[in-house]
This record gives sequence, structure tokens and C-alpha cells, in this order.
Amino acid sequence: QKEVEQNSGPLSVPEGAIASLNCTYSDRGSQSFFWYRQYSGKSPELIMSIYSNGDKEDGRFTAQLNKASQYVSLLIRDSQPSDSATYLCAVRRGAGRRALTFGSGTRLQVQP
Amino acid sequence: GAVVSQHPSRVICKSGTSVKIECRSLDFQATTMFWYRQFPKKSLMLMATSNEGSKATYEQGVEKDKFLINHASLTLSTLTVTSAHPEDSSFYICSAYSTGNLAEQYFGPGTRLTVT
Repeated sequence: QKEVEQNSGPLSVPEGAIASLNCTYSDRGSQSFFWYRQYSGKSPELIMSIYSNGDKEDGRFTAQLNKASQYVSLLIRDSQPSDSATYLCAVRRGAGRRALTFGSGTRLQVQP
Repeated sequence: GAVVSQHPSRVICKSGTSVKIECRSLDFQATTMFWYRQFPKKSLMLMATSNEGSKATYEQGVEKDKFLINHASLTLSTLTVTSAHPEDSSFYICSAYSTGNLAEQYFGPGTRLTVT
């Protein structure tokens, strides 16, 4: 079992729709959760971080965390073609400045 | 957010040669930096944790004698790929935590290494 699992996609949504990206993790010691966006040939860019159960909203993005189910999701409202990228879910075990464990990413395609 | 730079952004080298990649934190001090590697259409895999003033900690399966890491100052870590082979061709990305209260990890722009 992979430590962080994501559907590779591609997930295709029309412009203006809501894109829903999902991630599960296996390590119950994980305490910090992150969503990164990565364009082809570029390094990851942090979109959202979430540390406690529930929802966290930032502009068009909403991260959801359910530690009991070991599940993290990212909702993108009013999807734009510029949102087309690979979205990486990452988790960090424990507190402190530790390395991240990444999922393999979900490729999102927003159709104009 | 914090800024991390990498140099070079792209490098092509011949098999058997060595390549050095620099990772700098531009506006903050980083006692710890991380080196990741990403193969095409794959996720980022942690190679090693670079600690300022001490030896790097390598992940299982990563050869420390092949991937030399030096973290000589609070703003610079270097990764040297020694005796490079075509299978070392990859996207190498460094990251660091900013000092202060920020808990997020910031990534450099990456270095594309191609070994011919």
C-alpha cells in the first residue's frame, strides 16, 4: 500500500465547474497535510495546508480533512483553464520541519 | 512566501562526469533543506535531508557516495551527482522551511539533469 494515494486522472471538468480532488494516506501519525500544484516542467507550488479536521477555505480553494477516515480533499470552485495542472497531495508525520511524503498526483484538465 | 533558488535550471552532461546543483534560500536562513528527485510522470521522492554543519541523512536506497550533499551555510546546500549515468537523468528539486512561524515547505524551481 502506498503511503499517500491519489487517482492519477486525468480529471476533466468544464470551465466554471467544481473540481474535486481526493487523497488518502496510510500513516495515522500524519499531522500536517498539503496540496501542491505542479505545472509540467516546474516545481510544486503550495496551494493549501490543513492541520485539523474540517474545512479550510482560501479563495476558490477548499481543503477538507478527515483524520478518522485518513482522507484529504481539495475542491476548486469556478475552475479555470489555468488550473489545469497536476495536483500533489503531501503529508507530514509529526510536528517539526520534516520532509513530506507525496502522492503521485492527479492531473486536472479544465476544458474551456 | 519564502524564496528558494536553484542553479543551474538545466544541465546536460556526459556519462561519467560529475554535476553540482546549488540550492539557496534567498530571504531566510534554512538549517534544514531537502533534496527530492522526480522522474517523468512520477511523484517527488525524498533523496536526503541536508543539515547545516552536519552530515546529510539519506533515504533508503540512495547512495550517499554517489549523491554528495554539502550544507556549509544557512543559505546554501549543494548536491553533487558523481559519475553520472543516464539513469540519473531526472528533475532534482530542493526545498526548505522558512524560519519563524511558517510551517510550510518551499520548493526551489528545480534542476533538469540529462546525462548522455
